[in-house]
Amino acid sequence: DIQMTQSPSTLSASVGDRGTITCRASQSIGSWLAWYQQKPGRAPKLLIYKASSLESGVPSRFSGSGSGTEFTLTISSLQPDDFAAYYCQQYNSYPLTFGQGTKVEIK
Amino acid sequence: EVQLVESGGGLVQPGGSLRLSCAVSGFTFRDYYMDWVRQAPGKGLEWVGRIRNRANSYTTEYAASVKGRFTISRDDSKNSLYLQMNSLKIEDTSVYYCARGRAEPGTGGLDVWGQGTTVTVSS
Repeated sequence: DIQMTQSPSTLSASVGDRGTITCRASQSIGSWLAWYQQKPGRAPKLLIYKASSLESGVPSRFSGSGSGTEFTLTISSLQPDDFAAYYCQQYNSYPLTFGQGTKVEIK
Repeated sequence: EVQLVESGGGLVQPGGSLRLSCAVSGFTFRDYYMDWVRQAPGKGLEWVGRIRNRANSYTTEYAASVKGRFTISRDDSKNSLYLQMNSLKIEDTSVYYCARGRAEPGTGGLDVWGQGTTVTVSS
């Protein structure tokens, strides 16, 4: 199974800051990576697919990059609505696997 | 409106069974892969399994933690997805989400999610 490791586990930041989350795969997954946002009590929401493609309707302050084993989700200027949990997921091979999550909290 | 609505959750004893359903509307269900994802209280997301579409022979994939105990099925005529859970364990306690998977080349990800249904396994 491919293990996905996110860092940091918690990101403390202020409104307007740039936020960066890293996701590392235990083996190469090409660009087959998605990012999700989840707010408490809500279902996850797809933000990014194929490592860097922005899902329709997602604000352009979200961007994804990387390939192979190292990937990054960047929020260019954190907004109040962005404080949530974020998960990466690989879909290169089965079983599909998620990272453990990163909580973005207000500093 | 594209919508997924799960039902069937509840309290069950260890060793028991439960069947979850996911009612789909607003898109051509038969064209899509469908997944189940779960989330234990206070924990992260765990992929449970997938069923492909008719064009891909309705084949299934499962996480190791549920393989042999859980079965995913679908009824395209009823726009419904199912998760049959047998031999339930305490560690299966979670919110269970159904989600739509995209199989088109160059895409991927789970782009539509239900609101979740809660399964509690306890004596």
